[in-house]
Amino acid sequence: AQKVTQAQTEISVVEKEDVTLDCVYETRDTTYYLFWYKQPPSGELVFLIRRNSFDEQNEISGRYSWNFQKSTSSFNFTITASQVVDSAVYFCALRNFMNSGYSTLTFGKGTMLLVSP
Amino acid sequence: DGGITQSPKYLFRKEGQNVTLSCEQNLNHDAMYWYRQDPGQGLRLIYYSQIVNDFQKGDIAEGYSVSREKKESFPLTVTSAQKNPTAFYLCASSSGQVLETQYFGPGTRLLVL
Repeated sequence: AQKVTQAQTEISVVEKEDVTLDCVYETRDTTYYLFWYKQPPSGELVFLIRRNSFDEQNEISGRYSWNFQKSTSSFNFTITASQVVDSAVYFCALRNFMNSGYSTLTFGKGTMLLVSP
Repeated sequence: DGGITQSPKYLFRKEGQNVTLSCEQNLNHDAMYWYRQDPGQGLRLIYYSQIVNDFQKGDIAEGYSVSREKKESFPLTVTSAQKNPTAFYLCASSSGQVLETQYFGPGTRLLVL
């Protein structure tokens, strides 16, 4: 069965600190896709990144970076120099391939990040 | 602007009442999804549909029903059989292709009176 674990329920940091959000996944698929979403207080989930299993190159987008390690089944997300606007719940998700040929997503329970001024 | 709209933003349900949550997308996406979010529980899949007139049960379909008569629309009905409907409901859509990404609407918060 597919599973995504975000062990950190809540993280509090002070502005300008770096913070890493952990994501550990379980899958039997040899090819799979991982995602990160941000949910600000407004509620809408905002797509941040998609990563496929055969591309282990780490990715950087501004203050955001992602560290994908197949050996440890982890896909961690780091925010450098955090800002108050980064305060949100962050979800890691794993794409499921169903027997029907369709696909869905399995989400972790999320990590709430609170950045104080 | 392309996107996903959900209405209403807040919805109140009385005991024994069925209510319907609207989800519309103009992204020309084939696939649409409904998720339920409870505090500290993450998102759980209720129903999904890959094409018009076809839909599949997700992990927590009991007490819910859907229809997919048009590509743009995927309404969710919360029936009286759903005993604990208070939650935040999110609709999503995707192209349905291999490298698909799901994009989400703003959500509907359902409260029981």
